[in-house]
Amino acid sequence: QKEVEQNSGPLSVPEGAIASLNCTYSDRGSQSFFWYRQYSGKSPELIMFIYSNGDKEDGRFTAQLNKASQYVSLLIRDSQPSDSATYLCAFRLGGYSSASKIIFGSGTRLSIRP
Amino acid sequence: KAGVTQTPRYLIKTRGQQVTLSCSPISGHRSVSWYQQTPGQGLQFLFEYFSETQRNKGNFPGRFSGRQFSNSRSEMNVSTLELGDSALYLCASSSGYETAYGYTFGSGTRLTVV
Repeated sequence: QKEVEQNSGPLSVPEGAIASLNCTYSDRGSQSFFWYRQYSGKSPELIMFIYSNGDKEDGRFTAQLNKASQYVSLLIRDSQPSDSATYLCAFRLGGYSSASKIIFGSGTRLSIRP
Repeated sequence: KAGVTQTPRYLIKTRGQQVTLSCSPISGHRSVSWYQQTPGQGLQFLFEYFSETQRNKGNFPGRFSGRQFSNSRSEMNVSTLELGDSALYLCASSSGYETAYGYTFGSGTRLTVV
């Protein structure tokens, strides 16, 4: 089993709709979860991080974490063409130890159609 | 505040050669991590340095090595280059000891091995 599983997409969503991106992870001890956005030809950019079960909202973005199901998701409300990018799910493998590292999923390609 | 600076941006090397990539983290950040990104494998963790010490390493052959200097700048070296080493190499810096808030990535060095 891969450490982080994401649907590679592409996920096509009409402008103004809600885009829903999902991710599952393998390490039950993980405490920190991240969503990165990567535009084509650019480096990843951190858009959200979440530690606690439940929802965390930041503008049009909502991250949802369910540790029991080892599931994290990202909702993008009122999707805009500028949201078209690859979204990378990541978590810290190794808990809070000094040997921990951040592991990335392969990303979901999101396309917002006008 | 300056971001993460990687040099050079692009490199073309021949099989068998060696290459050194450089990364300057955000001022005050003491942790530097290196990742390799390819279309097929996504973001793969290479290693992390903290206060001049390698504290975590990924599953890459010994041809891949790195170091960190007292000013937190880091270098990554790949010896005996292979065609499969062609990739985008990303450096990421983080504040704090536990990388709790995720990484900030540099723009990357795109290495092409011919």
